[in-house]
Amino acid sequence: EAGVTQSPTHLIKTRGQHATLRCSPISGHTSVYWYQQALGLGLQFLLWYDEGEERNRGNFPPRFSGRQFPNYSSELNVNALELEDSALYLCASRSWGRGRGGSSYEQYFGPGTRLTVT
Amino acid sequence: TQLLEQSPQFLSIQEGENLTVYCNSSSVFSSLQWYRQEPGEGPVLLVTVVTGGEVKKLKRLTFQFGDARKDSSLHITAAQPGDTGLYLCAEISSGTYKYIFGTGTRLKVLA
Repeated sequence: EAGVTQSPTHLIKTRGQHATLRCSPISGHTSVYWYQQALGLGLQFLLWYDEGEERNRGNFPPRFSGRQFPNYSSELNVNALELEDSALYLCASRSWGRGRGGSSYEQYFGPGTRLTVT
Repeated sequence: TQLLEQSPQFLSIQEGENLTVYCNSSSVFSSLQWYRQEPGEGPVLLVTVVTGGEVKKLKRLTFQFGDARKDSSLHITAAQPGDTGLYLCAEISSGTYKYIFGTGTRLKVLA
């Protein structure tokens, strides 16, 4: 079973530019979550999409947005980039059914996109 | 932004030693998960605990959920270099399916 994939692996942008990050969930998973992880610290919840709809949003400004496509892949867009947006952006997918460990709360992460804003 | 408190923040031990890391919240958890993240990779789920007082074992790893469901611990027996990584706890809100992650414990096991 293919895992969650993210692209690009690395992205370097200049302050004020726009960034687009992409995520493909595990086949059969309809929920996609986006997280920001700065400096190898804990993850901050950004966005949750399910069945093409935004279901929940973390405490981030509106210049962080995204969407989910009919094939359940997702895109995170960051406008007007700031230096503090430099971080690892992680995508995770989840199924509404029980995962391998028996829980319906299991989410599976991709390797992340490292965004550097200069 | 809400974060769970994990301790210690950093831990460096010799191979073969035992260790315990902690995850605490000021509110009651509905469900709690533990993840391990290695450099350059996304976090990997280790376990989900849902019942107060619950204990789960995964080889040399023992996970405990506090009776009051406000704290959890992860104990590693006879640590190995392969256990090196960032250990994260996460609280799941059953109503919103929103995950709140802890601050993380960075573990290094020296050979």
